[in-house]
Amino acid sequence: AQKVTQAQTEISVVEKEDVTLDCVYETRDTTYYLFWYKQPPSGELVFLIRRNSFDEQNEISGRYSWNFQKSTSSFNFTITASQVVDSAVYFCALSYFGNEKLTFGTGTRLTIIP
Amino acid sequence: DARVTQTPRHKVTEMGQEVTMRCQPILGHNTVFWYRQTMMQGLELLAYFRNRAPLDDSGMPKDRFSAEMPDATLATLKIQPSEPRDSAVYFCASGPPETQYFGPGTRLLVL
Repeated sequence: AQKVTQAQTEISVVEKEDVTLDCVYETRDTTYYLFWYKQPPSGELVFLIRRNSFDEQNEISGRYSWNFQKSTSSFNFTITASQVVDSAVYFCALSYFGNEKLTFGTGTRLTIIP
Repeated sequence: DARVTQTPRHKVTEMGQEVTMRCQPILGHNTVFWYRQTMMQGLELLAYFRNRAPLDDSGMPKDRFSAEMPDATLATLKIQPSEPRDSAVYFCASGPPETQYFGPGTRLLVL
């Protein structure tokens, strides 16, 4: 069985601070995908990134960066110089190759204080 | 900027009534998913289709829920009869293989 754990239920930081959202996953499979989605107050789910299990290279996209470490089964997400617009619930998710069913974590509510 | 569309965005109904939610996937996407989000259960997969064929509906209460894809541009999720415990946000997502893009959701309240 697969499982995604986001231990941080809520985080608040002051604008311009850096913040890291943790994601730990469990899977017996060796081929899988990891995802991050953002759910702003408006409610939609916005796709942020997908990584496959063969690619542990860290990724950076503007102020966003992701650190994938198979040794610790973690896929953490860092926002640099946070902004109020980053306030949202962030979900980490997992799926297997060939089976697109997403298993979501419980989400981390991030609040950026102006 | 192609997006998944869902209608209605909000629905309030009374217990026992039929509810139909519609989804238009992104053109060219061959997989379509239905998820439900509640405070207690989080995001749960209800059903998904590939090339309009149902692949998995194990997350769906079979006695009252049904999901179909009459054509490549329309997916439907029906609840009949609806119950208060069905109150949730229902998301449709579509994708090429291995990535899912979500619609804005239908917020359902069953009284």
